[in-house]
Amino acid sequence: DAKTTQPNSMESNEEEPVHLPCNHSTISGTDYIHWYRQLPSQGPEYVIHGLTSNVNNRMASLAIAEDRKSSTLILHRATLRDAAVYYCIPEQLGNQFYFGTGTSLTVIP
Amino acid sequence: KAGVTQTPRYLIKTRGQQVTLSCSPISGHRSVSWYQQTPGQGLQFLFEYFSETQRNKGNFPGRFSGRQFSNSRSEMNVSTLELGDSALYLCASSLDGQNYNYGYTFGSGTRLTVV
Repeated sequence: DAKTTQPNSMESNEEEPVHLPCNHSTISGTDYIHWYRQLPSQGPEYVIHGLTSNVNNRMASLAIAEDRKSSTLILHRATLRDAAVYYCIPEQLGNQFYFGTGTSLTVIP
Repeated sequence: KAGVTQTPRYLIKTRGQQVTLSCSPISGHRSVSWYQQTPGQGLQFLFEYFSETQRNKGNFPGRFSGRQFSNSRSEMNVSTLELGDSALYLCASSLDGQNYNYGYTFGSGTRLTVV
């Protein structure tokens, strides 16, 4: 398994940007980096994914290091609804995701 | 459009019994995956079905099984329940499970408690 390291928890003030880091030093050259989040009492929700280039969508931005050994999920303006556990998933075997322990994000009003 | 529907939402069973959980994927999605989530082990992959065939299986005992029907709906079955099977069981669907640009959509899960 590609080893993933994420902070156990982070805090952010509402309406401020949040940078969620992830180290995945053993990622293979062809694996996409996926980010999912899980709100309380819900299943995981797709956030964003990328391979080499930085990616943007309506939810977030994904910054991928040039050597692909780390990535950062960027929430541009945190809202209370963004309080969740964020999972960085740098490896999948076919259609099987390896979820780590993720980062629990607390958004402070 | 309707999301991934899992039934029932909550279930209480006794040790030794068996249980069947159901998952209806998003219309048009042909791939269905199942995950088990526990506080100790986190999210762990159980198996994935595509066009009624199991394509991939996680490291779980044979008591855990599943199937997929022609309409892509899927069921998973756990026989001879143990206390450690208490968990949130999540189902995820995608168009084909291979092209990552499609992503996966998860249901809200079935909370199984074994007593």
